Amino acid sequence: VMTQSPATLSVSPGETATLSCRASESVGSTLAWYQQRPGQAPRLLIYHASTRATGVPARFSGSGSGTEFTLTISSLQSEDFAIYYCQEYNNWLRTFGQGTKVEIK
Amino acid sequence: EVQLLESGGGLVQPGGSLRLSCVASGITFSSFAMSWVRQAPGKGLEWVSGAAGRGDDNRNYADSVKGRFTISRDDSKNTVYLQMNSLRADDTAVYYCVQDGGWSAYEFFQNWGQGTLVTVSS
Repeated sequence: VMTQSPATLSVSPGETATLSCRASESVGSTLAWYQQRPGQAPRLLIYHASTRATGVPARFSGSGSGTEFTLTISSLQSEDFAIYYCQEYNNWLRTFGQGTKVEIK
Repeated sequence: EVQLLESGGGLVQPGGSLRLSCVASGITFSSFAMSWVRQAPGKGLEWVSGAAGRGDDNRNYADSVKGRFTISRDDSKNTVYLQMNSLRADDTAVYYCVQDGGWSAYEFFQNWGQGTLVTVSS
């Protein structure tokens, strides 16, 4: 089970957002983060817990291992307000967290 | 540029069947595992099924669809399919075709299609 917190995060543009994801058992570094803007398909941001996908801005960073993971978004831009999902791929079930909505404060 | 184009969604009655297709371009299709992920209206993401690449026969299913859905792939056509039988109202969702990050069943989801809506209702 993957648990994300908080469910909703209110942040002002230009500030930093910190999103958390906790696994019920260790998944090593097999953790990915996705962004989903309204009306769009999800997009891969981070894999292997901390590797940015191609084309992802450097303001997105991932950290953690084992059971505790963090996605940090620095200097939030308008296009960053979206829902973010974590996902483990330590086993073939590929479980997602329930998502964190980052909204404009 | 990777493109994943889904088709086959629509309205179906409970107990009915649908077959989703996804044609991929811009990748060496046979080298990658392919998956289907769904999203019910207003809800989060749920992995549904995956098919390994490199000619591996490994196919996996979420418990919620096991025995009802079948994934297959035709590497000669760069296409992955999802045959959905005995559909229920709780199968209503946008179904996304996804290219995995590698060939095995233990990968992140690298590229996503735009999704096709399946509505199960009488």
